[in-house]
Amino acid sequence: DAGVIQSPRHEVTEMGQEVTLRCKPISGHDYLFWYRQTMMRGLELLIYFNNNVPIDDSGMPEDRFSAKMPNASFSTLKIQPSEPRDSAVYFCASSSDRGFSGNTIYFGEGSWLTVV
Amino acid sequence: GQSLEQPSEVTAVEGAIVQINCTYQTSGFYGLSWYQQHDGGAPTFLSYNALDGLEETGRFSSFLSRSDSYGYLLLQELQMKDSASYFCASYSGNTPLVFGKGTRLSVIA
Repeated sequence: DAGVIQSPRHEVTEMGQEVTLRCKPISGHDYLFWYRQTMMRGLELLIYFNNNVPIDDSGMPEDRFSAKMPNASFSTLKIQPSEPRDSAVYFCASSSDRGFSGNTIYFGEGSWLTVV
Repeated sequence: GQSLEQPSEVTAVEGAIVQINCTYQTSGFYGLSWYQQHDGGAPTFLSYNALDGLEETGRFSSFLSRSDSYGYLLLQELQMKDSASYFCASYSGNTPLVFGKGTRLSVIA
């Protein structure tokens, strides 16, 4: 299996621009998670989906952030407009385990976002 | 709510043993996981404890004490390639993993 695939790996954008991050989960996984990692706050859960339906988006920082999962093999995280404080590594992860036991969450390589 | 505390940095000598501690406050606690992350890489699963006691996987072991809300990761026969960040993460059954802020391990010669 190819694992969780994210794109782009690196993006540098100007403040105010729209940013779209993409994720392809592992085939057959019913759960998809978006995490954000910064030095100050560590790994934070932004939102997660089950069978393409958003279950909990309480971690989304503000209305500038939105996420969609139009089908089982694709999800996007969009930031519009972007701000310098959004600079972080954004990880997508997927899981097949309803119980969220840690050994079944697989992370992508991350999208490194820099907003200048 | 959930919160986890772990040291921010640890340094150890190649070939030695190091222990990384984690204390947690997790409502409806089910288990504790450990993840490794090398610089520029993705977090990868190391171990999971749902019951009290020690779980051993090669050079790595993980321990959990539910009564003390405490766990640790033990790395033996340290190698330079073990230099990485290590995260504990708690699992409460109905919510996804919540991660600690990570412990950066530096292995020195």
